[in-house]
Amino acid sequence: EAAVTQSPRNKVTVTGGNVTLSCRQTNSHNYMYWYRQDTGHGLRLIHYSYGAGNLQIGDVPDGYKATRTTQEDFFLLLELASPSQTSLYFCASSDVGQVSEQFFGPGTRLTVL
Amino acid sequence: KTQVEQSPQSLVVRQGENCVLQCNYSVTPDNHLRWFKQDTGKGLVSLTVLVDQKDKTSNGRYSATLDKDAKHSTLHITATLLDDTATYICVVGDRGSALGRLHFGAGTQLIVIP
Repeated sequence: EAAVTQSPRNKVTVTGGNVTLSCRQTNSHNYMYWYRQDTGHGLRLIHYSYGAGNLQIGDVPDGYKATRTTQEDFFLLLELASPSQTSLYFCASSDVGQVSEQFFGPGTRLTVL
Repeated sequence: KTQVEQSPQSLVVRQGENCVLQCNYSVTPDNHLRWFKQDTGKGLVSLTVLVDQKDKTSNGRYSATLDKDAKHSTLHITATLLDDTATYICVVGDRGSALGRLHFGAGTQLIVIP
């Protein structure tokens, strides 16, 4: 079974702060994703990647950068955090397939004061 | 505009009862539909995936249906347990590969009481 881990699990920062969320997957999946989950909304795609060095823009990218350093590691960067970015962030990975399944990490709860 | 609508938003049932969760969507094309279970504070875990025009799946006490003509899916949970307390999320994929996008519903919060 795919293993996706995230760190930290909880993070509190102040407005204007610099935050990096980390994600690692250990199943050699090519695709990795960052989502945010807010009450009353479905998960929304921030950024995704096809492989090391690749970055694709998702549906809600404003205020976020991302970097895929290796096949295993995908980072989400908030360089000037704002209260609107308070959310639950999920990383996921998947392989290419006919009906590909995304495997999700446990989530990082970020609070921006 | 929300393309995946789930109902009810929340549901309380007694342990041992059955329940049905609904998912209506407008995503086009609709390659597949997947149901996830999300325990509080945890990630999403896949329960089942439906692919065919009119499809049915069964996974233990979970069973699901899909009707692509109606763009509608149901998730049935039989003989609920306390551990079924969770949010159930309907997700529609618009392609058959990871190159497509997934469209997430906001979820149905199920609470199972003794």
